[in-house]
Amino acid sequence: AQSVAQPEDQVNVAEGNPLTVKCTYSVSGNPYLFWYVQYPNRGLQFLLKYITGDNLVKGSYGFEAEFNKSQTSFHLKKPSALVSDSALYFCAVRDLNSGGYQKVTFGTGTKLQVIP
Amino acid sequence: DVKVTQSSRYLVKRTGEKVFLECVQDMDHENMFWYRQDPGLGLRLIYFSYDVKMKEKGDIPEGYSVSREKKERFSLILESASTNQTSMYLCASSLWDRNTEAFFGQGTRLTVV
Repeated sequence: AQSVAQPEDQVNVAEGNPLTVKCTYSVSGNPYLFWYVQYPNRGLQFLLKYITGDNLVKGSYGFEAEFNKSQTSFHLKKPSALVSDSALYFCAVRDLNSGGYQKVTFGTGTKLQVIP
Repeated sequence: DVKVTQSSRYLVKRTGEKVFLECVQDMDHENMFWYRQDPGLGLRLIYFSYDVKMKEKGDIPEGYSVSREKKERFSLILESASTNQTSMYLCASSLWDRNTEAFFGQGTRLTVV
């Protein structure tokens, strides 16, 4: 069975400081990994994904994430946080070996609060 | 611009009512999904469809059914609404390729009283 853990319910960071939102995963095979963002009263928006290749993935709005196979982690990062980055962030995983069923497992979400 | 549209942003229904949540996508995606979002629980998959008239149960299908008569439309049905089905419901679609991301609708906040 696949699973995703987001260990922090909330992350607070000052505007202009670097931010990290943590994600660890568990799959039986190789993972496809995703980050999504949700602004208040909205659906989820895709930020970035890791499929294969370079472990550092760049995405929308200046976000990036680093895939670490040995630590089974896929942490989301941004060098300089903006107040507008305040939102709920979800990590998700799909097992490459999950067969025909396209199941994606989402984490419980991390609320990012950027303080002016 | 790609779009997944859910028919209602907010719904209030009475216990025991039959409730229909509609979702339409304009991207010709094969896969469509219904998720339920609750604080502290993240997104949980209710049902999934990979083709017209095809459906698969997700993690929490009890009390729900779905219908996909056309490729672009995926409906979630609450046969007899209960207060524990008060939640945010999110529809999503994606291509069949498993390395592609999903596109989400804006969500329907359902309150059952």
